Amino acid sequence: DAGVIQSPRHEVTEMGQEVTLRCKPISGHDYLFWYRQTMMRGLELLIYFNNNVPIDDSGMPEDRFSAKMPNASFSTLKIQPSEPRDSAVYFCASSFGSTGSQPQHFGDGTRLSIL
Amino acid sequence: AQSVAQPEDQVNVAEGNPLTVKCTYSVSGNPYLFWYVQYPNRGLQFLLKYITGDNLVKGSYGFEAEFNKSQTSFHLKKPSALVSDSALYFCALNNDMRFGAGTRLTVKP
Repeated sequence: DAGVIQSPRHEVTEMGQEVTLRCKPISGHDYLFWYRQTMMRGLELLIYFNNNVPIDDSGMPEDRFSAKMPNASFSTLKIQPSEPRDSAVYFCASSFGSTGSQPQHFGDGTRLSIL
Repeated sequence: AQSVAQPEDQVNVAEGNPLTVKCTYSVSGNPYLFWYVQYPNRGLQFLLKYITGDNLVKGSYGFEAEFNKSQTSFHLKKPSALVSDSALYFCALNNDMRFGAGTRLTVKP
């Protein structure tokens, strides 16, 4: 079974540009999570969805960030406009069932560099 | 407030020796505690979890963890470390998807 697939794996762009990160969760999973990993702040939960509906977006840093899940097999995280401090590795993860008792399956991340 | 802490940034052990990676937590209610491992340029991989039941939990690759309610700890252990165990390890409080800062484990031959 294919794992969580993220694209692109690497993205380098200039400040002010729009950035779109993509995620395909594991088929059948009903929870999807977006995380950001930096040396300074570690791994931070940005937003998560249940059955395509956003449940908690309190971790989204500011209005420049938005996430959508139009169907069960696809999600996007957008940053517009991007800033150098957005440089990080962004992970998508999915799980099945309760958020508490089930493990999350992570993609290999998108390494984002904003110049 | 709920929290999870990994008090050691780095742990160094010799191959063949036992290893311990520490994790402490604070939660209202019952904790859902997980350990994950991250290799370079990869996502986190699930190792084991404690939800309820036996305090000693066994997981992948020979790892185990002991849940201690009185000490609010969930330390990761392995009886005999391998060089290939070298990686970044994260403890997670899954009640609110909160991760510790990570501990870098280095196993030297």
